[in-house]
Amino acid sequence: GQQVMQIPQYQHVQEGEDFTTYCNSSTTLSNIQWYKQRPGGHPVFLIQLVKSGEVKKQKRLTFQFGEAKKNSSLHITATQTTDVGTYFCAGQGGSYIPTFGRGTSLIVHP
Amino acid sequence: DVKVTQSSRYLVKRTGEKVFLECVQDMDHENMFWYRQDPGLGLRLIYFSYDVKMKEKGDIPEGYSVSREKKERFSLILESASTNQTSMYLCASSFRTTSSRGGYTFGSGTRLTVV
Repeated sequence: GQQVMQIPQYQHVQEGEDFTTYCNSSTTLSNIQWYKQRPGGHPVFLIQLVKSGEVKKQKRLTFQFGEAKKNSSLHITATQTTDVGTYFCAGQGGSYIPTFGRGTSLIVHP
Repeated sequence: DVKVTQSSRYLVKRTGEKVFLECVQDMDHENMFWYRQDPGLGLRLIYFSYDVKMKEKGDIPEGYSVSREKKERFSLILESASTNQTSMYLCASSFRTTSSRGGYTFGSGTRLTVV
């Protein structure tokens, strides 16, 4: 079945440094979604990418979908303590049920 | 504000008890899901439903069943709770096709401890 690998599992950064998490799918995706889960909270939908090579920005967050629609990345510029949490990607292939990556936990040191 | 509401935030049950976790959404979503979340394992799909009275097994259905009698309500049932079912349980809902209609909306979760 479809697998979505997400790396790294953890990332420690100093406040102000950049951060990137990567997702790779074993199969071509129709779309990919990104979620953020704050400590003690629940996943919250951030964005969905649909088109090959698509790039979307939300303030300091940049989301990319690969040309082959098998990989995606989330980049945060100049991290802040409010960025702390776990970031999940969820790739949707032939089924309408997305497959979640295991998430990347971002720890920001002030 | 649109919502997915889970009936309990914390729950402690004894081994062998039958446990009901309730989830209600007010967004008229067709799809509803139950996940469990454990450290290092991410989100694992237990069951999902794409319509009233319809249900499909996810990746880890063993020891669980579900019920969806109304569109807005999706219940997860642990037939005989065991300690390895201690976990965070997350309910989610979505439109039938998520393309350009947003992703999942999650509830706040139920942290279940089985003793």
